[in-house]
Amino acid sequence: DAGITQSPRHKVTETGTPVTLRCHQTENHRYMYWYRQDPGHGLRLIHYSYGVKDTDKGEVSDGYSVSRSKTEDFLLTLESATSSQTSVYFCAISPTSGTENTEAFFGQGTRLTVV
Amino acid sequence: SQKIEQNSEALNIQEGKTATLTCNYTNYSPAYLQWYRQDPGRGPVFLLLIRENEKEKRKERLKVTFDTTLKQSLFHITASQPADSATYLCALGGGSYIPTFGRGTSLIVHP
Repeated sequence: DAGITQSPRHKVTETGTPVTLRCHQTENHRYMYWYRQDPGHGLRLIHYSYGVKDTDKGEVSDGYSVSRSKTEDFLLTLESATSSQTSVYFCAISPTSGTENTEAFFGQGTRLTVV
Repeated sequence: SQKIEQNSEALNIQEGKTATLTCNYTNYSPAYLQWYRQDPGRGPVFLLLIRENEKEKRKERLKVTFDTTLKQSLFHITASQPADSATYLCALGGGSYIPTFGRGTSLIVHP
C-alpha cells in the first residue's frame, strides 16, 4: 500500500460513544478522502480534504466530522456512534483531483462495529 | 441525480475466456473514468484511467473503452485467470467532481 496507514484496523464500540479513526500518509499528497463501504451501496464519500484545514462534505457526511491539522493526517470522528455507522471505512489519498485527474491510493480499511 | 451502474450480479467465466464488465452512468459529464480492483478484506487498487477524449486504453491483458455518447465504459480482461477473480469498481471524476464509485461487479474465473 502506497504509504497510507489506517488505525485502528478493527474496532468495536458502543452506541453513543465517540470514535476517531486515523489516516496517516507518507506520500505528501494534497487530497485525502474518507469513504465507507457497505454491501449494496459500494463506496460512498463521507468527507474529503484538499489541504491542511481545508475540508468539505461528501455524500454521507451526517454524523461524521473530520480534521486535518497536518498534511499527513486526516481524522474521522463519529461524534456519537450509531449502529447504522457499522461499516468498513477506507481512507484514500491522491496528489491532485478535479481536472488534473489521477489515481487514488487506498488504505487497508477499518472495520467498525457499533453495538 | 448522478448515478453509476455496475452489474450487481457476479460474472462467472471459464479460465482463458475474455471477461467484460460494464459501467453505465447518468447525469454525469466526467472528465475521466477509472477502474479499480478490490480483493476481499482489502482496499481498492487502481488499474486504469481513461479520459473523455480517449476511446480505448490498454494495459497488458486489460482494455477499457469509454463511450461518452452511450455514457458507458467497458472493461475487458483477456485470457482470464483464476487470479483475476475479484470485485471491479469503476469511478468517475474530473472538473468539480470528487471521484464517485460504482458498487462494483464481482468476477469469478473458474479453472
